[in-house]
Amino acid sequence: AQSVTQLDSQVPVFEEAPVELRCNYSSSVSVYLFWYVQYPNQGLQLLLKYLSGSTLVKGINGFEAEFNKSQTSFHLRKPSVHISDTAEYFCAVRAAGNKLTFGGGTRVLVKP
Amino acid sequence: AAGVIQSPRHLIKEKRETATLKCYPIPRHDTVYWYQQGPGQDPQFLISFYEKMQSDKGSIPDRFSAQQFSDYHSELNMSSLELGDSALYFCASSLGRALDEQFFGPGTRLTVL
Repeated sequence: AQSVTQLDSQVPVFEEAPVELRCNYSSSVSVYLFWYVQYPNQGLQLLLKYLSGSTLVKGINGFEAEFNKSQTSFHLRKPSVHISDTAEYFCAVRAAGNKLTFGGGTRVLVKP
Repeated sequence: AAGVIQSPRHLIKEKRETATLKCYPIPRHDTVYWYQQGPGQDPQFLISFYEKMQSDKGSIPDRFSAQQFSDYHSELNMSSLELGDSALYFCASSLGRALDEQFFGPGTRLTVL
């Protein structure tokens, strides 16, 4: 079975500062990794995904993530955040089968 | 572009009542997934369907049942509702079961009083 751990439940950050959201996973098989964003009272929107190939994945809204197999990590980064990036971010893994297993989420609060 | 449609968006029920949540996938998508997100929690997978057949099952209570119809829409039926069933229920759809991205709907917020 696979599991996902998001190490930070909340990350406050000033506008235009960089942010990194940490995600570690465990799985006995090859995995496919995703980051989703959830704005208040909205559904989940895909930011980026890693299926294979280059370990550096670029997504929407200036986000990127790096897959590190040896450290079983898939950390999300953005070099300069905006107020509009205030949201909850979920890391998810998809292994055997087709269901997504989510981490506990990281709430990002961007301060002016 | 068309997105996943869920109805109703909000639903209030009493304990022991029943509820039916509907999900209309993106056109041509043949796979539907249901997730439950409790207050302050991450989404938990409930069940999925591919080509109208159940393809995977997660932590779905026996009081819940679901199906996918010939037009690929799906319904989640919930009976004997409990207070703990209050949550946001997401439906997602994809084309095929492989690695395709799951597109999420806006969710149905169920409140059980």
